[in-house]
Amino acid sequence: GDSVTQMEGPVTLSEEAFLTINCTYTATGYPSLFWYVQYPGEGLQLLLKATKADDKGSNKGFEATYRKETTSFHLEKGSVQVSDSAVYFCALSDRGFQKLVFGTGTRLLVSP
Amino acid sequence: IAGITQAPTSQILAAGRRMTLRCTQDMRHNAMYWYRQDLGLGLRLIHYSNTAGTTGKGEVPDGYSVSRANTDDFPLTLASAVPSQTSVYFCASSGTGTSSYNEQFFGPGTRLTVL
Repeated sequence: GDSVTQMEGPVTLSEEAFLTINCTYTATGYPSLFWYVQYPGEGLQLLLKATKADDKGSNKGFEATYRKETTSFHLEKGSVQVSDSAVYFCALSDRGFQKLVFGTGTRLLVSP
Repeated sequence: IAGITQAPTSQILAAGRRMTLRCTQDMRHNAMYWYRQDLGLGLRLIHYSNTAGTTGKGEVPDGYSVSRANTDDFPLTLASAVPSQTSVYFCASSGTGTSSYNEQFFGPGTRLTVL
């Protein structure tokens, strides 16, 4: 079945450091890919998405590119802030379906 | 606009007891979902509903039931709770329009502890 693999955390960075969180996927079809963010004590929020190969999703300084050849969707940000501290989930959804398959989540801790 | 509300916020429950987690959305979304979040496992889909009157099983449906009597409400029932159902439960909803994907909006979660 479909699956998503994320790098284990926590990822600990200093403010203004470069961030990469790796995500790879396995799917039988041509999925849409997403990054969700969960701030402490809250539900998940959609951060960005890409619906086809080579698409780049971006939001709030975060970017991720849909790489079909490497089945990856790595999350990047050039300069993280303390307020970016959260848990980040990579997810996929097969075309035509609404159900999401999530990775295990990666906790990001940014210190001043 | 509230979005999605869940109740209760948290609950401690004795094993064997029945419990219903409530979820209400005011966005007139057709689709609704229940997930459980466990450390190291991410979010796993329990049940879903594509429209009022229909439900379907997700990845981990055993021990849970749902109903969808109307568009707004999607309660999740544990008929006889067991300790392995200790988790954080999230309800979500999405539209089912013509786009290839409709964003899922999540509620704040219910933290359930079964002793």
